[in-house]
Amino acid sequence: EPEVTQTPSHQVTQMGQEVILRCVPISNHLYFYWYRQILGQKVEFLVSFYNNEISEKSEIFDDQFSVERPDGSNFTLKIRSTKLEDSAMYFCASLPGGWENSPLHFGNGTRLTVT
Amino acid sequence: AQKVTQAQTEISVVEKEDVTLDCVYETRDTTYYLFWYKQPPSGELVFLIRRNSFDEQNEISGRYSWNFQKSTSSFNFTITASQVVDSAVYFCALTPANAGNNRKLIWGLGTSLAVNP
Repeated sequence: EPEVTQTPSHQVTQMGQEVILRCVPISNHLYFYWYRQILGQKVEFLVSFYNNEISEKSEIFDDQFSVERPDGSNFTLKIRSTKLEDSAMYFCASLPGGWENSPLHFGNGTRLTVT
Repeated sequence: AQKVTQAQTEISVVEKEDVTLDCVYETRDTTYYLFWYKQPPSGELVFLIRRNSFDEQNEISGRYSWNFQKSTSSFNFTITASQVVDSAVYFCALTPANAGNNRKLIWGLGTSLAVNP
């Protein structure tokens, strides 16, 4: 069964550095999402992306965050200048067109540690 | 406002016991989807089930069953004859059915289930 894949599985970075989290959604999917889970807390919506633009973003998704689909396969989340509180697990997900009958399948996540 | 409440923070059972994880939700939407996800210690989110608000039939999948009661805004999850491999955090989530492209799930805080041998 096709999967959403995320790389790296774990990223350690210093405060103030830029990080790019990478996701390869399921082929032919059209809707893309990033969610975040701070350790031990609930999962939170960050952003949805469709037709090469952001559909909706949460309050968490401030100017330090950006998303991009640079080619036909990757979907990236960039954090421009990381803060300690950005340490979390970041999950990517995708949906096909005609998504009404599809659940949201997540990648295995990238654990971001900001030191 | 939309909200998902999982009142049980942690549950500990002995293998082979049945266990029910509670989920209560709030929404003003007339149509919506409810979900359960499992997060094992390895950290990934594993989809378990999706339920449409207009379909109140209960569902059984092996040792898993779900009881959806619209009248009480609850979508409870029961594991029958629990096994050690069921140990995980379980999340209940909600999204409006008419959200368009924005599959923005509203998540509960999760219930950490420990099944002891």
